[in-house]
Amino acid sequence: QQQVKQSPQSLIVQKGGISIINCAYENTAFDYFPWYQQFPGKGPALLIAIRPDVSEKKEGRFTISFNKSAKQFSLHIMDSQPGDSATYFCAASIRGYQKVTFGIGTKLQVIP
Amino acid sequence: NAGVMQNPRHLVRRRGQEARLRCSPMKGHSHVYWYRQLPEEGLKFMVYLQKENIIDESGMPKERFSAEFPKEGPSILRIQQVVRGDSAAYFCASSPEWAYEQYFGPGTRLTVT
Repeated sequence: QQQVKQSPQSLIVQKGGISIINCAYENTAFDYFPWYQQFPGKGPALLIAIRPDVSEKKEGRFTISFNKSAKQFSLHIMDSQPGDSATYFCAASIRGYQKVTFGIGTKLQVIP
Repeated sequence: NAGVMQNPRHLVRRRGQEARLRCSPMKGHSHVYWYRQLPEEGLKFMVYLQKENIIDESGMPKERFSAEFPKEGPSILRIQQVVRGDSAAYFCASSPEWAYEQYFGPGTRLTVT
């Protein structure tokens, strides 16, 4: 059972454009939603995270939007750059259980 | 402050051999997690450990796989009698006690020939 559904699986964006990755979850007990960035041959790096008591969180060019009623959240990358080309994973977890459930990943390519 | 360290980074084993993967958590982190990433797939949780205790092993295959986090030394993920389907990247993550954030190591890429 895929508890966190992520789309699209691949995304091509022009330099300077906005990259948008969407995720939906099923388990209403989830209370922490991180995004990870992974470059080829590297481990995932924590990028930004949100808890369900806020609807939006922004860090630099990266913004998470959260819709609790729809059980959806998304990552927006503003002014996308070629250096942003990587695989992005949305994820969810429950405090006290620690196990993180990951989406399938989105391979982002930013072209000049 | 060094990050999560994993070794070896690459490991080649023949079918039937044993694979031992090591993970040293970040300084001050007492919780360790192991995840497996198959090609073109997301990460799948395997096991969650604290010092000398397995807290959650719900993602661990029932046979051939085991994990430990001793009082001294790194956490070890052990795969006995490896098969081709075990070929994957294995990532370790660590966190401080009662923290949401998990920080990942660079991974060990296991190839079974």
